[in-house]
Amino acid sequence: LAKTTQPISMDSYEGQEVNITCSHNNIATNDYITWYQQFPSQGPRFIIQGYKTKVTNEVASLFIPADRKSSTLSLPRVSLSDTAVYYCLVAWDTGRRALTFGSGTRLQVQP
Amino acid sequence: DGGITQSPKYLFRKEGQNVTLSCEQNLNHDAMYWYRQDPGQGLRLIYYSQIVNDFQKGDIAEGYSVSREKKESFPLTVTSAQKNPTAFYLCASGGQGLGRDYGYTFGSGTRLTVV
Repeated sequence: LAKTTQPISMDSYEGQEVNITCSHNNIATNDYITWYQQFPSQGPRFIIQGYKTKVTNEVASLFIPADRKSSTLSLPRVSLSDTAVYYCLVAWDTGRRALTFGSGTRLQVQP
Repeated sequence: DGGITQSPKYLFRKEGQNVTLSCEQNLNHDAMYWYRQDPGQGLRLIYYSQIVNDFQKGDIAEGYSVSREKKESFPLTVTSAQKNPTAFYLCASGGQGLGRDYGYTFGSGTRLTVV
């Protein structure tokens, strides 16, 4: 499985756009890039997944450059409720694979 | 409404006791997983099962046991051999099929405390 590197923590203020970048230099051809969000004392929640270019849903956007060696999760106009840990995973058929979740990026949104 | 259910939400264990955490899913997923999370840390894989009647050890299986007798159920037993069981335990199940990939669905977790 491709190793990923993401910042340990980030701070932001309400209303700002937050971009969290994940590096995955050895991503394989079949790999998808998946992001999860975890609030305290809850299980992680799947928020977005992509293979290339840009993916957008009601929660976030995911930007993937042509070489796919990194990806950026973009959260528009964050609120206090976006304070959470965000995990980046890179693998294929992730539903049927045993995955390792690293420490993720701890996002703290201030008023 | 499909989902994955963990119970109980809170569990207290005395020293030397075995306790069993329940995990049930109605998503028709083949694969199920157990993770442990300590405060401020990421998730560590305990056991996983990709098909009924089969399961594999994860990174920290010592002191834990599982069974997978039904597709819907994957209970985790924390045995007395687990020296530091106080943690947040998360169960997940995995979507199926190649190509479009649906990742994991997690339960809401069980917080186990040794008293």
